[in-house]
Parts: sequence; C-alpha cells; structure tokens
Amino acid sequence: GAVVSQHPSRVICKSGTSVKIECRSLDFQATTMFWYRQFPKQSLMLMATSNEGSKATYEQGVEKDKFLINHASLTLSTLTVTSAHPEDSSFYICSAQPGTGDYGYTFGSGTRLTVV
Amino acid sequence: RKEVEQDPGPFNVPEGATVAFNCTYSNSASQSFFWYRQDCRKEPKLLMSVYSSGNEDGRFTAQLNRASQYISLLIRDSKLSDSATYLCVVKNGGFKTIFGAGTRLFVKA
Repeated sequence: GAVVSQHPSRVICKSGTSVKIECRSLDFQATTMFWYRQFPKQSLMLMATSNEGSKATYEQGVEKDKFLINHASLTLSTLTVTSAHPEDSSFYICSAQPGTGDYGYTFGSGTRLTVV
Repeated sequence: RKEVEQDPGPFNVPEGATVAFNCTYSNSASQSFFWYRQDCRKEPKLLMSVYSSGNEDGRFTAQLNRASQYISLLIRDSKLSDSATYLCVVKNGGFKTIFGAGTRLFVKA
C-alpha cells in the first residue's frame, strides 16, 4: 500500500531555534500534501496544504512566516517551524492522497516536537 | 457549530459488546466520508470509507444518512485491540478534509 514517510519522529529543541520536518511519499507521487497539528486530546487541525512547485495554502490563523512549507518535488514536502516556542510543542503529521477519487489519505507517522 | 461533531466519549465497554459511534456534519455539500482509527501517540489510519448504501468490513459497519447529515460506525464483538480513538472524517469539495474531535473507546476484559 501507499506509504508516507515522515521524520524525525521526535525532536526536542531549544526555544528560538528552527526545526525542519520532512514528509516523503515513498511509492507514489503527491502533488499535494497536507500538514496537520494535533495538541493532546484534541483533533487534528489542518495547518496548510502543500502544493508541488507553488506556494502553500495556509489555514486561517496559521502564520505562514513561522511555518515554512516547501514542496520542491512530487515526493517531498518539508515543514520548518521557525523560531520555535514552547507553545509550538505539538504532534505534527503530514498526509497525502494516493491516486484520485474518494480515497482516504495516508498519514506519515508524525513528529512529536517539544520546545524547551 | 463545529463542521464535524462526534460523540465525546469515552466509551467503556466489555469485550464482546456492540458499540456505536455517531457523527454529524454541517456542510450538506460534503462528498466523501471516512472513519479513521488513531492509537495513542500515533498517526491516524484509515479504518473504512463510508458509502451511501452503507458498508461492512468484518465486525465494522458504517452508515451514511445524507438527509440527516449523519454518519455512524458500529463495532460488533468488541476486542481489546479495538481500544483507540475513532475519528469521523468528512471531505468537502476539492481537498478540504475536516476531522472530528474523535471518540475514545476502551474495551475491557
């Protein structure tokens, strides 16, 4: 089946530093990938839609200058959390949809970010 | 009102029980519907799509009522391994996908 690889799975960083998270589709091409954030005991919240070769589309309330998204190839999207603060600590998950039509999405294994 | 609302849970049931989860959505133009399962501190995984005619996959039955904008998931003969959070997911036009807050299920021996 379709696989989305995400890493790192866990990262701890100091406040003020930047963290890059990678999301790769391993056996399919993904012109569009999605980045979600999930706080403890809450639902996944879509942060942005990553489009290959063009700018990402951010959801309302998500700072595009803080969460930089790059989708330079059909199999790789990256999310960089810039100048991270403790309130950015969360579970970040990417997803992509193999094929078209009414198919569900395949998720990466997630990245647990802790900013200290 | 949230776009996708689910039973808050948690549901605590004994092994072998039948349990049902409900989900309502607000956008009548929603096109696709799914149930995902999420284990603690893991990514969501697709459990099943939900079709207008209703569909079944082993012990799991999903139903959709477009008129009432309502989706359900029925789990029969619950197993300990069914303990997880179940997410109702609604896909609108294009790629817009909305996740419910999830319903937690605990199956106990």
